[in-house]
Amino acid sequence: GAGVSQSPSNKVTEKGKDVELRCDPISGHTALYWYRQSLGQGLEFLIYFQGNSAPDKSGLPSDRFSAERTGGSVSTLTIQRTQQEDSAVYLCASSLLAGLQSEQFFGPGTRLTVL
Amino acid sequence: QKEVEQNSGPLSVPEGAIASLNCTYSDRVSQSFFWYRQYSGKSPELIMSIYSNGDKEDGRFTAQLNKASQYVSLLIRDSQPSDSATYLCAVKGGRLVDMRFGAGTRLTVKP
Repeated sequence: GAGVSQSPSNKVTEKGKDVELRCDPISGHTALYWYRQSLGQGLEFLIYFQGNSAPDKSGLPSDRFSAERTGGSVSTLTIQRTQQEDSAVYLCASSLLAGLQSEQFFGPGTRLTVL
Repeated sequence: QKEVEQNSGPLSVPEGAIASLNCTYSDRVSQSFFWYRQYSGKSPELIMSIYSNGDKEDGRFTAQLNKASQYVSLLIRDSQPSDSATYLCAVKGGRLVDMRFGAGTRLTVKP
């Protein structure tokens, strides 16, 4: 696969349930990013990984959100006890490096709906 | 003050015209600037990146950067209906270890 892939593409869950979103970056990309885009809104940065480390977790909206990356590849974003305000499209991006000039390429996103 | 600001639009131009999209940013030490195009229901697609003051051209697209004015723009020449999308400006560097996006400008190119 040439691009960033994400799964599931759509997720509908009930308030209070936990959800896990997956991102598979472009092969060889060391940096991975998670963003959230609410309806009609811009992209909100959540967290990024350089390798398996997350140097900056300040964008996570609350302690219900967590993310991990293993093997320098796949990442999962977990939302515990989901709330209706968590409904959004969750986008993952990757870049070759985390440098200033590294270009980020986005996956198709996961549309999360919390009922 | 938002870190990255864009006119939300909508911006409407006739087919064949030049579309001009503007973006300002607040962190003076920002160093890298990117334009993404996002079609409705799709994820952002990178169009151009620019790092130095001046113009950078790629086909029908020209990015312009003025760091002194903290301003970056995207010009689309010979606009086509297929250019109709939301254009996102993104900024990186300085305090920003990650990339921060503007809210986007919605462009409509009318046949």
